[in-house]
Amino acid sequence: DTEVTQTPKHLVMGMTNKKSLKCEQHMGHRAMYWYKQKAKKPPELMFVYSYEKLSINESVPSRFSPECPNSSLLNLHLHALQPEDSALYLCASSQVGWTEAFFGQGTRLTVV
Amino acid sequence: SQQGEEDPQALSIQEGENATMNCSYKTSINNLQWYRQNSGRGLVHLILIRSNEREKHSGRLRVTLDTSKKSSSLLITASRAADTASYFCATDEAGSQGNLIFGKGTKLSVKP
Repeated sequence: DTEVTQTPKHLVMGMTNKKSLKCEQHMGHRAMYWYKQKAKKPPELMFVYSYEKLSINESVPSRFSPECPNSSLLNLHLHALQPEDSALYLCASSQVGWTEAFFGQGTRLTVV
Repeated sequence: SQQGEEDPQALSIQEGENATMNCSYKTSINNLQWYRQNSGRGLVHLILIRSNEREKHSGRLRVTLDTSKKSSSLLITASRAADTASYFCATDEAGSQGNLIFGKGTKLSVKP
């Protein structure tokens, strides 16, 4: 199984809502990533987890809260987002120290 | 932060022609990778070239790396309409924890 599964595929949320994005992989990868991608732009790294520990936070606002409950799962908790946070959120995984990454299909988030 | 800069930003060719995309980066790297993205969905890993390699082939793909010029090129030979997508180079900075930084991308359109 070489898939990274992201749910939901689409999400519309209000600025006062709390929602979560989920990501799952069963490739035994111990590095997992969240990227944000705006239209016609490259993916921008948000968070990196290595062995279930947060190793990189690229100065992401606290309204985004990542969680890695186990080696197969990665969540991104969303609270009090702004319309400018509307984007495609991509999850990826890889072996630690080997950066060929496998990406999920993304969650297209719209904040209204 | 953004590492790679792709050139051109957009490329339109006829089926059967070759497509060449270039990428420049700024820092020392461990390796450079190329990814493909269809219609703003997930990214698919195409090929990885290590910093001590100069050229690599995979099927119709040929990648070159010139670390002295901090540049790479991706050649797709005998292009097909199905190759229509955005192509991104990505680098992991030497000494980093292996997180990928993506370039701006080249949007390739292959006309039947």
